[in-house]
Amino acid sequence: DAGITQSPRHKVTETGTPVTLRCHQTENHRYMYWYRQDPGHGLRLIHYSYGVKDTDKGEVSDGYSVSRSKTEDFLLTLESATSSQTSVYFCAISRTVDNQPQHFGDGTRLSIL
Amino acid sequence: ILNVEQSPQSLHVQEGDSTNFTCSFPSSNFYALHWYRWETAKSPEALFVMTLNGDEKKKGRISATLNTKEGYSYLYIKGSQPEDSATYLCASNSGGSNYKLTFGKGTLLTVNP
Repeated sequence: DAGITQSPRHKVTETGTPVTLRCHQTENHRYMYWYRQDPGHGLRLIHYSYGVKDTDKGEVSDGYSVSRSKTEDFLLTLESATSSQTSVYFCAISRTVDNQPQHFGDGTRLSIL
Repeated sequence: ILNVEQSPQSLHVQEGDSTNFTCSFPSSNFYALHWYRWETAKSPEALFVMTLNGDEKKKGRISATLNTKEGYSYLYIKGSQPEDSATYLCASNSGGSNYKLTFGKGTLLTVNP
């Protein structure tokens, strides 16, 4: 299995609080991604990174920010969490974008009350 | 936003049946087509990445084909087993951005013993 660790695995917090999710990889892959999974929507890309300090927006980036200060860590921050951000969040990594698959972490279940 | 469509949405088959699903995607600026298998309470697991028109890939009883000119891919499962029960996702990064994978909503396969 690809070495991807997401933390925390579960979190319950209140509306308006800041939340940071961490994705840590030991594979030295260049590309990292954050997705959210919601019923009826499948996996939707929030943000992605194509290198250290190189990030870009995905399909559903409003309300989220990311940072990648080193190859192995990709952080997803909800500056002021809202109930609509209750979801399961998956991190993924890939070596290339052309012909290599993405490898997924185990997910973080986030509930915002 | 790229449209990746999968059909059927769900499928029930008997053990031993062979089955197939469809993924359609925009054929312009095609880079790659991915298939993933996603079991409940786990993370998506890569099955295939295909890049060339006419590609065929096989892993055990599962195979996939790709038609980039018309924008579709088929996933076949021969002699379905209960352990094949999962959601099968396809994803494409065609349409101008090879960094971003857009996922379909998946086909939920249930194999009854």
